[in-house]
Amino acid sequence: DIQMTQSPSSLSASVGDRVTITCRASQGISNYLAWYQQKPGKVPKLLIYAASTLQSGVPSRFSGSGSGTDFTLTISSLQPEDVATYYCQKYNSAWTFGQGTKVEIK
Amino acid sequence: EVQLVESGGGLVQPGRSLRLSCAASGFTFDDYAMHWVRQAPGKGLEWVSGISWNSGSIGYADSVKGRFTISRDNAKNSLYLQMNSLRAEDTALYYCAKTLRSWYSPFDYWGQGTLVTVSS
Repeated sequence: DIQMTQSPSSLSASVGDRVTITCRASQGISNYLAWYQQKPGKVPKLLIYAASTLQSGVPSRFSGSGSGTDFTLTISSLQPEDVATYYCQKYNSAWTFGQGTKVEIK
Repeated sequence: EVQLVESGGGLVQPGRSLRLSCAASGFTFDDYAMHWVRQAPGKGLEWVSGISWNSGSIGYADSVKGRFTISRDNAKNSLYLQMNSLRAEDTALYYCAKTLRSWYSPFDYWGQGTLVTVSS
């Protein structure tokens, strides 16, 4: 089975900072990679799919990149409302989530 | 507006069974694959099972294979998860999720979840 590993597990950054979260697949998955945001006590929300396609309604400060085994989610200017846990998910041949990255405001 | 409403959760003893339901509305249900995802208290997301639009393709996580059965009734716009031989480690909030497009797709809508607690 393909494993998805996110790093870091948590981070703390200031408002306005550029934040980058990494997701690595144990085998190549082409661009079958999605990113979700889950705010405390809320349902997960799809942010990005196909590694870099922004889901409708998602602010443009979110972006995704990568292909094969290495992927990144970038928040260009961190906002207070971005406090959440972020998950990557592969969706080729099976569906597997990364362990999550908790983002906090410093 | 897409709505997914799960039901059927509760407290159940280890080894017993439970059947979850998900009522869908606001979209053409039989056009989309559907999935169950769970989240143990304070933990991350775990994909549980998925079913294609016509039930022709079905998948399960290794952790539930042989114990859980996913099904759907397109006439009733409903998704189900039959959970047998429940274990303490099955305790979680169970979400119903709709796929964005095809079988191998991410999930664009999620329900609010139904809580399953397995304990004696």
